[in-house]
Amino acid sequence: DVKVTQSSRYLVKRTGEKVFLECVQDMDHENMFWYRQDPGLGLRLIYFSYDVKMKEKGDIPEGYSVSREKKERFSLILESASTNQTSMYLCASTPGGGRRDTLHFGNGTRLTVT
Amino acid sequence: AQTVTQSQPEMSVQEAETVTLSCTYDTSESDYYLFWYKQPPSRQMILVIRQEAYKQQNATENRFSVNFQKAAKSFSLKISDSQLGDAAMYFCAWGVNRDDKIIFGKGTRLHILP
Repeated sequence: DVKVTQSSRYLVKRTGEKVFLECVQDMDHENMFWYRQDPGLGLRLIYFSYDVKMKEKGDIPEGYSVSREKKERFSLILESASTNQTSMYLCASTPGGGRRDTLHFGNGTRLTVT
Repeated sequence: AQTVTQSQPEMSVQEAETVTLSCTYDTSESDYYLFWYKQPPSRQMILVIRQEAYKQQNATENRFSVNFQKAAKSFSLKISDSQLGDAAMYFCAWGVNRDDKIIFGKGTRLHILP
């Protein structure tokens, strides 16, 4: 089974801090995704990556950046955290390469910015 | 732009009864697929069922089945013999086969009444 691991289940940060959310998958998947989940808004795509060092903006990239230096790791970066970035963050991966497959999700990181 | 609409923010059903969750989508694509995901209180997103748009036959997974109406762009989920463990947030999602980017609806919270 694919395992997608998010480094923190809960995180509390202060406004203005630089925040790193880490995600690692262990099945050599090509594609990785960061979603944000808010009540009443569902899941919204922040950024995704189809390969190492490649990234694409999703629907709500403002205030975020990402890094993918190794295939198995995809980091979401909040350069200067703000209270409106308090949310649940979900990482996911898919095999890619034309192999149609569903998203495999991590357990989520609930981030609170105070 | 592609959209996925779940018109029922919350629903309740008596244990052992049948419930149907609604989902509509809007796309001009012809080669796509649809999902229902379940998110229990543990936060782990679980794939419930998947439907390829080119398949006319409705997908079924044990007590879960879909009613896929391609012309109407409707993709409802039917849960038969509801169980307490079915209580969760359910998300309808859409993806296109030329990439793995998946778009989610806002979710329906399902309560199971004992």
